[in-house]
Amino acid sequence: QSALTQPRSVSGSPGQSVTISCTGTSSDVGGYNYVSWYQQHPGKAPKLMIYDVSKRPSGVPDRFSGSKSGNTASLTISGLQAEDEADYYCCSYAGSYTSVVFGGGTKLTVL
Amino acid sequence: QVQLQESGPGLVKPSETLSLTCAVSGYSISSGYYWGWIRQPPGKGLEWIGSIYHSGSTYYNPSLKSRVTISVDTSKNQFSLKLSSVTAADTAVYYCARQGTFELGMATIKYWGQGTLVTVSS
Repeated sequence: QSALTQPRSVSGSPGQSVTISCTGTSSDVGGYNYVSWYQQHPGKAPKLMIYDVSKRPSGVPDRFSGSKSGNTASLTISGLQAEDEADYYCCSYAGSYTSVVFGGGTKLTVL
Repeated sequence: QVQLQESGPGLVKPSETLSLTCAVSGYSISSGYYWGWIRQPPGKGLEWIGSIYHSGSTYYNPSLKSRVTISVDTSKNQFSLKLSSVTAADTAVYYCARQGTFELGMATIKYWGQGTLVTVSS
């Protein structure tokens, strides 16, 4: 069982928006503004899409945005495109003992 | 451009020790950052194994801590993972990665290796 809880799957049509949630506790997501999101296509290494809750690395489209409220972080993808179909993982700093925790992953299907 | 490349045996026998090395190019490990190992069992999610700071300070997943050792060799610009007493449950793709510049930034993983599949089987 993963430390952070994500929906197993979400779907949307091209052009629509989808939001993926990531629920933790006050010891991880809720306690620090250090949540990141990763996109992973089959057979590939994960790619950083969002860090520090809502910052985008250079080269990541502004269709991807992140936010946090309490113990839940969210990744929103607007203007869905076929190439957005992938697995998405959230990740959070979780204190000096546990350090890093991942969510179980969400499969995004573009209909 | 920072690049990371994992190397090591693709097949390990149960109860033995899994050993992997990550060669880093494009950046000197001794200059900073946290360097870590993440794994992904076939068809499953990501699991952080542990990380090392360039100074040698280590951080381990509590669920694996008793079996994990991560070390760094700045002269070769590489860091290594050892996982002892492996079982079939340790079969996974193992990634090495560069994390953040400070402890709280360890959740920020911008650079990843391509990953290497390690199978535990007799």
